[in-house]
Amino acid sequence: DQQVKQNSPSLSVQEGRISILNCDYTNSMFDYFLWYKKYPAEGPTFLISISSIKDKNEDGRFTVFLNKSAKHLSLHIVPSQPGDSAVYFCAAPRVGGSTLGRLYFGRGTQLTVWP
Amino acid sequence: KAGVTQTPRYLIKTRGQQVTLSCSPISGHRSVSWYQQTPGQGLQFLFEYFSETQRNKGNFPGRFSGRQFSNSRSEMNVSTLELGDSALYLCASSQGEFSSYNEQFFGPGTRLTVL
Repeated sequence: DQQVKQNSPSLSVQEGRISILNCDYTNSMFDYFLWYKKYPAEGPTFLISISSIKDKNEDGRFTVFLNKSAKHLSLHIVPSQPGDSAVYFCAAPRVGGSTLGRLYFGRGTQLTVWP
Repeated sequence: KAGVTQTPRYLIKTRGQQVTLSCSPISGHRSVSWYQQTPGQGLQFLFEYFSETQRNKGNFPGRFSGRQFSNSRSEMNVSTLELGDSALYLCASSQGEFSSYNEQFFGPGTRLTVL
């Protein structure tokens, strides 16, 4: 079952504009969320995270917003740059336990930023 | 510090064969997780190892197995390959079971094609 969902497989944005990538989740016990970026032929790299005690986390051009009541989070990239073109994954760790391993990932959104 | 390395990077096999993939974590990292990435399903968790012990396993058939060695290197094995096993297999390492998720690093993956 897909506990983390990214319903938009692709997004195309002009350079300089805002990119908004969306993610929904079904498990209300999730208390931490991450965004990863993946270029072709490379592994995913951590981008930004947010704890459920916050509704916003900002890191430079990247901001993640969390709406717990709607079980929805979004990643905003402002301004978007061509180098941001990549697949973006939303993820949440399994609830409970001390082990690190299991992350639930969305299917990813391919962001294309054109000049 | 060298990153996570995975070998081989590309592999072509035929149905019914078996395959072994290797992952060398970052030096000092003791936790290794494996994920399968397919276009339709995104990243799906396979298993996680810490100090040579499997700590967690995803919903994959028994044809998928793995192990971790005393030097933290890990292998995963897929027996009786099926066409649907064609995917990118990603390995991620972290220092320990209490590491934060932004300290989990992915390798570039092994692209397996089953003909």
